[in-house]
Amino acid sequence: GDSVTQMEGPVTLSEEACLTINCTYTATGYPSLFWYVQYPGEGLQLLLKATKADDKGSNKGFEATYRKETTSFHLEKGSVQVSDSAVYFCALSGTNAGKSTFGDGTTLTVKP
Amino acid sequence: EAQVTQNPRYLITVTGKKLTVTCSQNMNHEYMSWYRQDPGLGLRQIYYSMNVEVTDKGDVPEGYKVSRKEKRNFPLILESPSPNQTSLYFCASSQRVGTGSNGYTFGSGTRLTVV
Repeated sequence: GDSVTQMEGPVTLSEEACLTINCTYTATGYPSLFWYVQYPGEGLQLLLKATKADDKGSNKGFEATYRKETTSFHLEKGSVQVSDSAVYFCALSGTNAGKSTFGDGTTLTVKP
Repeated sequence: EAQVTQNPRYLITVTGKKLTVTCSQNMNHEYMSWYRQDPGLGLRQIYYSMNVEVTDKGDVPEGYKVSRKEKRNFPLILESPSPNQTSLYFCASSQRVGTGSNGYTFGSGTRLTVV
């Protein structure tokens, strides 16, 4: 079945550092790929998405590129802020329309 | 504002006392789903609904019931709650799912404690 593997956390960075959170997936066909963010005490929010190979999703300075050849969708940001501290989930939506598959989440803490 | 509304946000109950967690969306989405989030186990799907009167089991449906009598509402029912159902619950909805999905909108969560 479908699966998502994302980089284990927690990740701690200083403000203005570069961020990469790795995500790889296993799925048949061409799934849609997503990154969600969960701030403390809140629900998940869709951060960005990509629906086909080589698409780049971007939002709030975050980017991720759909790489079919490496089955990856790594999340990147050039300069993180304290306000980016949250849990980040990689997810896919594939041929089984009723189910989305989520990674285990990566906790990011950004220190001033 | 487009949103998914869950109630209550927090609930403490006793073993065996039936409860319902409500979920409502105002985006006319056909698809709705329930998840539970537990430390170290990530998000696990309980039930989902592709449309009115169409529901199906997710990965962890035991001990839960759902209904979808109208498009906007998708309540989660625990007929006889047990302590192992203590968790953080999320409702989500989507306009389009599967390949070509545009992602989910999540509610703010319901933290349930069963003692």
